[in-house]
Formats: sequence, C-alpha cells, structure tokens
Amino acid sequence: GQQLNQSPQSMFIQEGEDVSMNCTSSSIFNTWLWYKQDPGEGPVLLIALYKAGELTSNGRLTAQFGITRKDSFLNISASIPSDVGIYFCAGQPYGGATNKLIFGTGTLLAVQP
Amino acid sequence: KAGVTQTPRYLIKTRGQQVTLSCSPISGHRSVSWYQQTPGQGLQFLFEYFSETQRNKGNFPGRFSGRQFSNSRSEMNVSTLELGDSALYLCASSGGGNVYEQYFGPGTRLTVT
Repeated sequence: GQQLNQSPQSMFIQEGEDVSMNCTSSSIFNTWLWYKQDPGEGPVLLIALYKAGELTSNGRLTAQFGITRKDSFLNISASIPSDVGIYFCAGQPYGGATNKLIFGTGTLLAVQP
Repeated sequence: KAGVTQTPRYLIKTRGQQVTLSCSPISGHRSVSWYQQTPGQGLQFLFEYFSETQRNKGNFPGRFSGRQFSNSRSEMNVSTLELGDSALYLCASSGGGNVYEQYFGPGTRLTVT
C-alpha cells in the first residue's frame, strides 16, 4: 500500500534536546496529521494541519504544512522522557477519498534521561 | 467524552478460522475507519463506514469485511484466517467539527497460529 516517506527512522537523544522530523510525498495533500503511538496502544492525534504554510503548536510540539503541500514537519522542543514513542505523519491526498488516510513509516524517538 | 473502544484487546486464532472485532466510536461520530498495522507494512487502510454504508475501501482481499450499525458501532470480520493476518487492528472514528481528524482506539492484537 501507499506510504509517506518519513525521516529519520529513529532518533536517540538526550533529555532537553530539540527534535525535528519530517514527512514527504510525491503528490499533493489536503490535510496533514501527526500522531504519537505508545507500545500496544493506538495512535494519539497530536496536531492537525489544513492549509499550505500553516504552522500550529500544541505545547512543546510545533508542526508545519509545507508550502508545496507535499511535506510536513514536526518539531518537539525540550524533550522529556515521556516523549518516547513512535511518531507518525498521516495525510489525506488531494482528490482522495475522505477519511482514507495515508500513513508515514514512523519515527522512533528514544529519550535518554 | 469517552474515547474509541475496541473489543477484544487480544485474540489468538488458528489458521482457517474466522474472527469478528468490535469498535465503538466516540459519541456523535458517524464515521468509523479500520486499519491494519504490521511491522512490515505499517498502517494500512482497510475500509471506512459512514451511516451504515461502506464509503471507502482499501486494497485488501474480500476475506476482510465490515459493517456498521445504526448506533455507529462497527464490526470487522476476517474469514479463513492466514498467518499473515496477525496484526494490530485499529479503528478510528471521526465526526463533529473536523471530519478529517481521526481518533484511534487502543486496537485489537490478533495472533494467528
């Protein structure tokens, strides 16, 4: 099935460091969503983006909808141990069916206290 | 509001058997989507139900089916189970003001032996 390119695949950082990850596609997307998944649980919605260039924050998290509509970025500032998990981007392709999300391959984040 | 609930949380079945998984969406949400998550393929869209009708379908064989009831609760069924069907099955509901934002349940971990 179709997947979005997400990078990096994994990150191992020290507590307090900032984190950046991104998601790219060869086609245009209408909507970008960022999720966090803990082991054995379902993904939790962090941020939703709807317009090209839109920058949205949720606490220490900031995400941007790329101006080309083919990418999105997620930044986490001052990481803490509970940020550990897998982060997924997801998008709704332009012209695609409503609610048929395409997911990225995930970024595994490990935070060393 | 209560979140999305899925039952059972864990299931072990034998090849050739069939299985039914259940999902109760967030109150007021009318759309329910199902996803399969495996280490190799990531999160893959199965199908979406809205107002008791299948609105979208992913690229899965006909052994995977679903339905939605008038109270928006949904079930998915997998017949003639194969080893490769072992996965975390997630349902997500959406509705209300932002129809593109999908909220996931904890998932059902299916193991086929």
